[in-house]
Amino acid sequence: QKEVEQDPGPLSVPEGAIVSLNCTYSNSAFQYFMWYRQYSRKGPELLMYTYSSGNKEDGRFTAQVDKSSKYISLFIRDSQPSDSATYLCAMSGGSNYKLTFGKGTLLTVNP
Amino acid sequence: DVKVTQSSRYLVKRTGEKVFLECVQDMDHENMFWYRQDPGLGLRLIYFSYDVKMKEKGDIPEGYSVSREKKERFSLILESASTNQTSMYLCASSSGTGNHQPQHFGDGTRLSIL
Repeated sequence: QKEVEQDPGPLSVPEGAIVSLNCTYSNSAFQYFMWYRQYSRKGPELLMYTYSSGNKEDGRFTAQVDKSSKYISLFIRDSQPSDSATYLCAMSGGSNYKLTFGKGTLLTVNP
Repeated sequence: DVKVTQSSRYLVKRTGEKVFLECVQDMDHENMFWYRQDPGLGLRLIYFSYDVKMKEKGDIPEGYSVSREKKERFSLILESASTNQTSMYLCASSSGTGNHQPQHFGDGTRLSIL
């Protein structure tokens, strides 16, 4: 079983839709969770950073962590064409300070 | 804002050449990382450094070495480039020691080995 699983998509939605992106993980030591957005031919850009379980909101973005289910989500409200990118989840925890990444989900928001 | 700058966006080299990829960060971060990113394989950690002159192997260090002579600069070296090292190379940095601060990435170097 891979440490982090992320559906690669592609995911295509109309403008204004609510988007849900998800990752599951197997390592119960993970406590720090990140979402990155990566535009084509650019580096990953940090979107959200959360610790342990719960929700965190930043504008149209909400990150959700359910440690009991080992499941994290990123919700995008009122999606825009400019949200079209690959979204990567990443996590770390315990004595391992390296990040473990999902492989990314390619999202296209159609005008 | 954190700025991580990679010296080249695109680079073409020949098999057997020694290749240097440079990365500079301007936020006085202790930690620096080199990844490669390939379709279907995601991000894979090559080497990282928690301090000047310190380095640790990541998951795929074979064929690579690194140098960190100054805190702000972390170099990746391909000792003898091969075609299977054609990839997108990403540098990242993070603050602190022994913590889980998020990493901040540069825009990558797309390296082609012919």
